Amino acid sequence: EIVLTQTPGILSSSPGDRATLSCRASQSFAHNFLAWYQKKPGQSPRLLIYNAVIRATDVPDRFIGNAAGTDFSLTISRLEPEDFAVYYCQQYGTSPFTFGPGTKVDFK
Amino acid sequence: QERLVQSGAEVKTPGASMKISCKVFGYTFTSYYLNWVRLAPGQGPEWVGIINPSGASTTYAPAFEDRVVMTRDTSTSTVYMELSGLKFEDTAIYYCARGGRLWYGEFHRAFDLWGQGTVVTVSS
Repeated sequence: EIVLTQTPGILSSSPGDRATLSCRASQSFAHNFLAWYQKKPGQSPRLLIYNAVIRATDVPDRFIGNAAGTDFSLTISRLEPEDFAVYYCQQYGTSPFTFGPGTKVDFK
Repeated sequence: QERLVQSGAEVKTPGASMKISCKVFGYTFTSYYLNWVRLAPGQGPEWVGIINPSGASTTYAPAFEDRVVMTRDTSTSTVYMELSGLKFEDTAIYYCARGGRLWYGEFHRAFDLWGQGTVVTVSS
């Protein structure tokens, strides 16, 4: 199965900062079928980005997805207070679909 | 309004089985794949498997395929996941999540709609 590695594990930031989260896949998969989800305590995951670079419905344009081979990134151009959460990447190009362990964006 | 509504919390003993449900509201039940994902404390999400609510075909993650069964009831727009041989490490929140459109063959698609989660605790 494809293993996704996310770095850093924790990103300590302040509102207004630019945050870059990384996700590396152990092997390539079809069509850049990679998604990013946001998870807050007590809430269900929320889809932010799919197909590596496409923002989901109603997702602010400060969330930007990028892809280069087996390296993927999610950039939050300017952190808002509501962005402090855990972010997971997921590949759905090859079964079994797999998720990364997450990056927690917390307050510095 | 499109939503997925899951059954309530479960407490089970090791070795027991559980069966949880996910009811679809606001869209045609047989139009989209449905997935099950679990999130255990301190870990990343884990995909359990996927069901085609129209034809009932399933694909399970290898880690679960010997003890999971996914079924559906089209009359109530509900999918079920049964997990047997429960272990302490099965303690997690289990989510159903919508995948791709069946008509377009979108097996590979991100999960855009999630249920509220079902807390499952395995404890002796």
